[in-house]
Amino acid sequence: KNQVEQSPQSLIILEGKNCTLQCNYTVSPFSNLRWYKQDTGRGPVSLTIMTFSENTKSNGRYTATLDADTKQSSLHITASQLSDSASYICVVRPGTYKYIFGTGTRLKVLA
Amino acid sequence: DTGVSQDPRHKITKRGQNVTFRCDPISEHNRLYWYRQTLGQGPEFLTYFQNEAQLEKSRLLSDRFSAERPKGSFSTLEIQRTEQGDSAMYLCASSETGLLNEQFFGPGTRLTVL
Repeated sequence: KNQVEQSPQSLIILEGKNCTLQCNYTVSPFSNLRWYKQDTGRGPVSLTIMTFSENTKSNGRYTATLDADTKQSSLHITASQLSDSASYICVVRPGTYKYIFGTGTRLKVLA
Repeated sequence: DTGVSQDPRHKITKRGQNVTFRCDPISEHNRLYWYRQTLGQGPEFLTYFQNEAQLEKSRLLSDRFSAERPKGSFSTLEIQRTEQGDSAMYLCASSETGLLNEQFFGPGTRLTVL
């Protein structure tokens, strides 16, 4: 069964600290993996897209990694800001028009 | 604004009433998706259009749900005889054909069924 699991479910950190969010997937075949940021009450916004041949992709203070062998990805946020408070969703495309969404990690950054 | 738009942003209705939501995708995008999202969960796939053709409909979508994209541009999602369990955020997204093309989401319609 195609599944995307994320951990932790929620995370609280202090402003300025770094954090890493995890994503494990069992989607097959695999085309690409995306990380989205979703602010409360808004639609998700894409942060990174990685194919199986890419190990890392950065977007400002966000760095995503992918290990296609172990089917794991992580999203590292550096020097967190209050505006990083949001849900972060890992999404895997199995080579069709479909997108398989994880349940997300809810991040809260405190001043 | 050239992004995906949805209308209304919020809808409160009584159980048993019908509701209709509208999505206007980015104009050159031929793919359009509807998702449902409940609190603390990721978006769940409801249905998918390639131009005007509805190519897949999730088993989550009961007979009370229907979606159209009559001219391959805007789309509507109708829920008949709403139930309290239909309360959720309904998200629309669009993209161009291609595995690496980005999927752009609208702001969503928040439905509350009383």
